[in-house]
Amino acid sequence: GAVVSQHPSRVICKSGTSVKIECRSLDFQATTMFWYRQFPKKSLMLMATSNEGSKATYEQGVEKDKFLINHASLTLSTLTVTSAHPEDSSFYICSADRGGPTEAFFGQGTRLTVV
Amino acid sequence: GQNIDQPTEMTATEGAIVQINCTYQTSGFNGLFWYQQHAGEAPTFLSYNVLDGLEEKGRFSSFLSRSKGYSYLLLKELQMKDSASYLCAVKDSNYQLIWGAGTKLIIKP
Repeated sequence: GAVVSQHPSRVICKSGTSVKIECRSLDFQATTMFWYRQFPKKSLMLMATSNEGSKATYEQGVEKDKFLINHASLTLSTLTVTSAHPEDSSFYICSADRGGPTEAFFGQGTRLTVV
Repeated sequence: GQNIDQPTEMTATEGAIVQINCTYQTSGFNGLFWYQQHAGEAPTFLSYNVLDGLEEKGRFSSFLSRSKGYSYLLLKELQMKDSASYLCAVKDSNYQLIWGAGTKLIIKP
């Protein structure tokens, strides 16, 4: 199967700082990348959908100025959590899609802890 | 609205068989997916159904009935490592994945 690499896997940051998470599709071109957030014992919550070269589409309730998404190429998308606060602590997961009726491939996830 | 329902939690015994059901109502249908997710890890792909019927892959099988908006994941010869959450997801008419809340499967010795 295809490989999606997400980095870092864990990050601890101070409240008020910004954190960037990278998501790369290593062996295919991802027309679309998705960013999810997951709280403990809860299902995946889609935050935004990004297509290469265009602005991300954010789900209702997700602050686009707080969660900056850049999809600069067909193999790289980044999520920047700006001015992080403890309530932003969560598990963030990216997935990449080749489009059409195929499965999505997930990165390893990033455990963000804001102290 | 779009909706996917699956049981919140199930318990089964090691070596037994368990069936996890999923019903969906979505805007269009472009395939149903089952993923396994262990705590603290990203989901891993298990199976994909786009036509009616049963797809078998080792100990895991997945069934789809599009007319009923229904799927199930069948796990045979359960092992302790199968303890995980199982997520049902459907691609809608825009090929966007709609996720169920997941079923936590607990395997007991």
